[in-house]
Amino acid sequence: QSALTQPASVSGSPGQSITISCTGTSSDVGGYNYVSWYQQHPGKAPKLMIYDVSNRPSGVPDRFSGSKSGNTASLTISGLQAEDEADYYCSSYTSSSTPWVFGGGTKLTVL
Amino acid sequence: EVQLVESGGGLVQPGGSLKLSCAASGFTFSGSAMHWVRQASGKGLEWVGRIRSNANSYATGYAASVKGRFTISRDDSKNTAFLQMNSLKTEDTAVYYCTRLGVGATNFQHWGQGTLVTVSS
Repeated sequence: QSALTQPASVSGSPGQSITISCTGTSSDVGGYNYVSWYQQHPGKAPKLMIYDVSNRPSGVPDRFSGSKSGNTASLTISGLQAEDEADYYCSSYTSSSTPWVFGGGTKLTVL
Repeated sequence: EVQLVESGGGLVQPGGSLKLSCAASGFTFSGSAMHWVRQASGKGLEWVGRIRSNANSYATGYAASVKGRFTISRDDSKNTAFLQMNSLKTEDTAVYYCTRLGVGATNFQHWGQGTLVTVSS
């Protein structure tokens, strides 16, 4: 069982918006603004999409945005495109003995 | 451009050992902490451990699931990090990624392509 809780799957049609949630505790998501999101296509390495809750690395489209409220972080993808279909993982720094935790992943299907 | 290239994966029997390598380029390796993250087939990501730089005394840290069995080391003269895995269990079967933190050291910005470790009899 992963430390952070994500929905197993979400779906949307091209052009629509979707939101993926990531729920943790006050020891991780709620305690630090160090939530990041990763996109992973089949057979590929994860790619950083959002860091520090809401910052985008260079080259990531502004269709991707992040936010946080309490112990839950969210990734929103607007204007869905076919190439957005992938698995998405959240991660957070944590005060526990294991400094980094991940969510179980969410499979995004673009209908 | 940052590049991380893992090697050394393969098939090993339960109880056996394997050593993975991560060859780095495109950044000042000696000044960077290096992390390992793994992913079992069809499963999520799991942080395995990290080694800090010489300036931070090469301090290591490990996930509880591998502590005492896995050891991370590095050779700054060769820009290479290593993951020595001993007493391997079937549940260690996974793709192992070498990673480097990004801006603010709060995220995993750089990833290798991964190397598959299969523990099976």
